[in-house]
Amino acid sequence: EVQLLESGGGLVQPGGSLRLSCAASGFTFSSYAVSWVRQAPGKGLESVSVISGSGTSTYYADSVKGRFTISRDNSKNTLYLQMNSLRAEDTALYFCAKGTVVECWGQGTLVTVSS
Amino acid sequence: QLVLTQSPSASASLGASVKLTCTLSSGHSNYAIAWHQQQPEKGPRYLMRLNSDGGHSKGDGIPDRFSGSSSGAERYLTISSLQSEDEADYYCQTWGTAIQVFGGGTRLTVL
Repeated sequence: EVQLLESGGGLVQPGGSLRLSCAASGFTFSSYAVSWVRQAPGKGLESVSVISGSGTSTYYADSVKGRFTISRDNSKNTLYLQMNSLRAEDTALYFCAKGTVVECWGQGTLVTVSS
Repeated sequence: QLVLTQSPSASASLGASVKLTCTLSSGHSNYAIAWHQQQPEKGPRYLMRLNSDGGHSKGDGIPDRFSGSSSGAERYLTISSLQSEDEADYYCQTWGTAIQVFGGGTRLTVL
């Protein structure tokens, strides 16, 4: 069974940093692109960042470019999102997702940016 | 620019059928999409991948009541024999070179 388990969310002050992790199981992790998708309270889904299976190609939404860094450790079947210079508008539920065609979703981890 | 357009809301009666629409932006009518369902207070669930020729492959455990079809730049999700648990937000999603795009979502109300 394919599973994605996010962790690392929490309350952080504006300007602060957080690192999200997503532990994957049930599929050959290195064969798939994986992505972070977020959902602000009461809003729709927004693609944040995508990384190729090898980790050599990445994509960032304009709203996070230069502040967020996506990475993966295929030996640990784990996806990361380093988030720096956080803003109030980054407050959202962050989902880990398998594939550029999203075939499987994690349950999400909540990031709240507030003073 | 790759954009997906969805109507904000739809409604249909219990036991009836409903057809939701996702429209690809000009120049992208040959793109495949994916449909996702998000029930209230839950995370999204992958429903199916839908190709431009109408061929589709559903996720594990997705009932036969859910089907997809295509016409030009339009991608459709049809839900038949509507049940109360089908009341949810439905998102279409596509991808291009180094880009992943979501539609704004359609909130389906089951009357």
